[in-house]
Amino acid sequence: GENVEQHPSTLSVQEGDSAVIKCTYSDSASNYFPWYKQELGKRPQLIIDIRSNVGEKKDQRIAVTLNKTAKHFSLHITETQPEDSAVYFCAASMGNAGNMLTFGGGTRLMVKP
Amino acid sequence: GAGVSQSPSNKVTEKGKDVELRCDPISGHTALYWYRQSLGQGLEFLIYFQGNSAPDKSGLPSDRFSAERTGGSVSTLTIQRTQQEDSAVYLCASSPDPKGIQYFGAGTRLSVL
Repeated sequence: GENVEQHPSTLSVQEGDSAVIKCTYSDSASNYFPWYKQELGKRPQLIIDIRSNVGEKKDQRIAVTLNKTAKHFSLHITETQPEDSAVYFCAASMGNAGNMLTFGGGTRLMVKP
Repeated sequence: GAGVSQSPSNKVTEKGKDVELRCDPISGHTALYWYRQSLGQGLEFLIYFQGNSAPDKSGLPSDRFSAERTGGSVSTLTIQRTQQEDSAVYLCASSPDPKGIQYFGAGTRLSVL
């Protein structure tokens, strides 16, 4: 089955700096890669996703890149703010009959004011 | 509109007891997923329902776990003879279709003493 590795497990940045979180996946058939943000005690919320037919997607301060050949994808957050502090999860799925997500272990991002 | 609703939000039980966890998906969503999140870890897929089709149970960790979805809407996850290792947050997600974005509930925190 699919296996998703996520690094780093914790990341501390200064407000205004950029943050990068990286994930690798094992199954070349995976074609859908969402990123979820989970604040303490809250539900995971989708912040951005990418499908395998594109290499990059941006939404304001957030971007995701995908390298299908290397089987890795990354989340980039620019101009970080204290409210970006949360746990971020990457995931992968084959997006066919059922979109069961395989999640990475999560990255705890701390943005210091 | 209303999001995915889960109940109870917290459940404390004794080892060996049975528990039932409930999920109310977003109205009109045909796909429903259950995941488990152990402390400090990523989410682990348990079971998937799509419409009236037979569920995909490939993620259930043992035969003590079962789930049903009545009328294509509300779902119940049942854990029989609970063990301490079952302690986790159980998250439900729904999606408008099998390939769509998954929207998560706030989860049920299960503690087995």
